[in-house]
Amino acid sequence: SQQGEEDPQALSIQEGENATMNCSYKTSINNLQWYRQNSGRGLVHLILIRSNEREKHSGRLRVTLDTSKKSSSLLITASRAADTASYFCALASYSGAGSYQLTFGKGTKLSVIP
Amino acid sequence: NAGVTQTPKFQVLKTGQSMTLQCAQDMNHEYMSWYRQDPGMGLRLIHYSVGAGITDQGEVPNGYNVSRSTTEDFPLRLLSAAPSQTSVYFCASSYSNGGGENIQYFGAGTRLSVL
Repeated sequence: SQQGEEDPQALSIQEGENATMNCSYKTSINNLQWYRQNSGRGLVHLILIRSNEREKHSGRLRVTLDTSKKSSSLLITASRAADTASYFCALASYSGAGSYQLTFGKGTKLSVIP
Repeated sequence: NAGVTQTPKFQVLKTGQSMTLQCAQDMNHEYMSWYRQDPGMGLRLIHYSVGAGITDQGEVPNGYNVSRSTTEDFPLRLLSAAPSQTSVYFCASSYSNGGGENIQYFGAGTRLSVL
């Protein structure tokens, strides 16, 4: 199964700035999801974008998907110190017998400095 | 609503010991999965289940067993612990709308050290 590759691996910004992280992949997907993980905690789902969608918004989050380039980006606008976390993209691909598997990338570690 | 509950939160084992990591969900989700998270490796799928009585292997199944006798519970068994199994283990559950939109809900994790 394929794994998404996030870029950059780590990102440090000042509070109030925008944060952009990218995810690239190699084969076709059904949908792409972004998750957030605070230190020492489990992952929390942020947003899902289907393969036939190009852009999606949720609060301060904006996700884009370019299936021709096999890449997605997550933009967090007006970042806050509380946004400090690791962010993972997850690729949903059909695995047969009516089921889909989700494979996670290695994550981008975001630090927002107050 | 408790969501996904994992126990224990921490565990230290000696090489060769066996143990079971517990996972329970109260959302009536069909799908449940076990992942391990290692530094620099992201999350890797160990085993998953698409419903009670049905399990399948993920990317890194060796050394682990699972069973799914009820919708709620999905325990992960380490048969003979090895230092390479030192990791953080996450259980997740999800429902499916049939279109592959499996949004996963994660437990808080179990930190396992094998000495």
